[in-house]
Amino acid sequence: QVQLQESGPGLVKPSGTLSLTCAVSGDSISSSYWWNWVRQPPGKGLEWIGEIYHSGSTKYNPSLKSRVTISVDKSKKQFSLKLSSVTAADTAVYYCARTVYRQGDFDYWGQGTLVTVSS
Amino acid sequence: QSVLTQPPSASGTPGQGVTISCSGSSSNFGGNTVNWYQQLPGTAPKLLIYSNNQRPSGVPDRFSGSKSGTSASLAISGLQSEDEADYYCAAWDDSLNGVVFGGGTKLTVL
Repeated sequence: QVQLQESGPGLVKPSGTLSLTCAVSGDSISSSYWWNWVRQPPGKGLEWIGEIYHSGSTKYNPSLKSRVTISVDKSKKQFSLKLSSVTAADTAVYYCARTVYRQGDFDYWGQGTLVTVSS
Repeated sequence: QSVLTQPPSASGTPGQGVTISCSGSSSNFGGNTVNWYQQLPGTAPKLLIYSNNQRPSGVPDRFSGSKSGTSASLAISGLQSEDEADYYCAAWDDSLNGVVFGGGTKLTVL
């Protein structure tokens, strides 16, 4: 059974950098899947942040591209998200998820982690 | 403002059927498939329908999806109280070169 688990600080100061990691178990991170980050502000809808393949190839949401970096560490079976210059608008539950067909079909999700941007 | 358009709410009584719509454009629905998610309060979204009308293993056949042109629908038959949740559509968008979501529909089982 594939499991994804997010981890990282729950509080980030404005103008700082949000850093999260997603640990993958039950499957090889080098399989033919893309690994994604999706976020959800409190009480609002879902927003795709970006994705990465085990080769390191990435795609980002154009609205966040200038501030986002997604990386993969195959030896640790994890991938990471960095979002710079955060503001209160970046407060959200951040999910990691796996996609098979790269059509917005996320078949496995982490349980999500709330990140609050506040001083 | 979401790229995909869903009604903010829908409702039905137990045993009834309900349909949730999702409207897109040629850059997303035109050449790509639609997916649907169910999100229960306080939990991660769950893939309900992928590739327009395919159900992952374990999803009841009460849930079905369809797509025609730049519109898609999620149909739920035999409503149950546990179906009360938020439902989202999603697709790849060729213009944005990324995944786009609908704004979500809150389903209430009366």
